[in-house]
Amino acid sequence: NAGVMQNPRHLVRRRGQEARLRCSPMKGHSHVYWYRQLPEEGLKFMVYLQKENIIDESGMPKERFSAEFPKEGPSILRIQQVVRGDSAAYFCASSRLGTTSYNSPLHFGNGTRLTVT
Amino acid sequence: AQTVTQSQPEMSVQEAETVTLSCTYDTSESDYYLFWYKQPPSRQMILVIRQEAYKQQNATENRFSVNFQKAAKSFSLKISDSQLGDAAMYFCAYRSRNNAGNMLTFGGGTRLMVKP
Repeated sequence: NAGVMQNPRHLVRRRGQEARLRCSPMKGHSHVYWYRQLPEEGLKFMVYLQKENIIDESGMPKERFSAEFPKEGPSILRIQQVVRGDSAAYFCASSRLGTTSYNSPLHFGNGTRLTVT
Repeated sequence: AQTVTQSQPEMSVQEAETVTLSCTYDTSESDYYLFWYKQPPSRQMILVIRQEAYKQQNATENRFSVNFQKAAKSFSLKISDSQLGDAAMYFCAYRSRNNAGNMLTFGGGTRLMVKP
């Protein structure tokens, strides 16, 4: 059973370009979360999605960042007009249930490291 | 809002010895979950151990155990018989039971080095 798959593993973009990060949740999981990890820091929650719905985007920057989880295909985190401060590792996680069920732990992908030059 | 603090940026332990990593958190809620995650250089986030706040008994997973002090809002991780493979970043995390989703609040991490 494949885990959470993120690609690409590394992404280099020049300032002003767009970055697209993809996440395929574990089989049977319909709840996806995106986190950002700045260098030498812990992960910070960005957005929580279910299929075709954004449930909580309280951690998303107001501009340039968007996320989607379509009915078919992976979840996409999109960053428009990237700046150097967007350089970070972006992690996707999925769970089977969306409630705070003890038996529905988060499973993380290996992250995408975005470098903006 | 909840906050999680890990006051030790770096810790070192001799192989086969025991080490304790500290974590404190701030919350006004009475029911929640606490977690320790390990992040090796591969960047993978690996769940080490978890604790439900309403359970008084400290969680244990093989060489890993926690000291959960609810009144003090403290959740430390003890690693016994340390192995070279334990070297990693360790993150403490909090999850509310009141939110609709599985959102975690992470501490800043502790880098654990294991000396042979």
